[in-house]
Amino acid sequence: AQSVSQHNHHVILSEAASLELGCNYSYGGTVNLFWYVQYPGQHLQLLLKYFSGDPLVKGIKGFEAEFIKSKFSFNLRKPSVQWSDTAEYFCAVMNSGNTPLVFGKGTRLSVIA
Amino acid sequence: DVKVTQSSRYLVKRTGEKVFLECVQDMDHENMFWYRQDPGLGLRLIYFSYDVKMKEKGDIPEGYSVSREKKERFSLILESASTNQTSMYLCASSRTGGLQPQHFGDGTRLSIL
Repeated sequence: AQSVSQHNHHVILSEAASLELGCNYSYGGTVNLFWYVQYPGQHLQLLLKYFSGDPLVKGIKGFEAEFIKSKFSFNLRKPSVQWSDTAEYFCAVMNSGNTPLVFGKGTRLSVIA
Repeated sequence: DVKVTQSSRYLVKRTGEKVFLECVQDMDHENMFWYRQDPGLGLRLIYFSYDVKMKEKGDIPEGYSVSREKKERFSLILESASTNQTSMYLCASSRTGGLQPQHFGDGTRLSIL
């Protein structure tokens, strides 16, 4: 069965610091990859996704993620975080067959002034 | 604006009660999902449905059932509520062609006493 690992449970950064959240998955075949974000008190929303093509994916609000197939990784990055990026971030993976998404356990990001 | 609406934001029930959580989407989506979200465990899929009257078990279906009598409505049923079902429950929907949720509801925080 697929599994998704997010290595950091809670990350605390100062404003303007750079962000990288790790995500690794276990499935060996073709995968589709996603990052979702949940801001405090709000519903989950899609941040970015990778299906094929350029492994560097740009998402909303200045986020990007890079798919590295050899490392089974899809890390999320942002060069300079803002206080408004405080949220919980979920990585998710789906194999190319018609099976549902598998979510990681989430990483809580706290950005302090 | 697209909408996934969950009938209750907060719900308190007693052990042994039969509990119904309702979800309605207005996007004519074929796929609907029920997840539970617990701290440190991320999102875990309970059930999903890809068409009216169709349902599939997710990763943690035990103690739950679902009903999809109409395309827009997907109900989650706790047959006999137990304290370990205290959780945040999220409904989501997506168009046909992919089992990744596109739109999430605001969630129902269910407490079983």
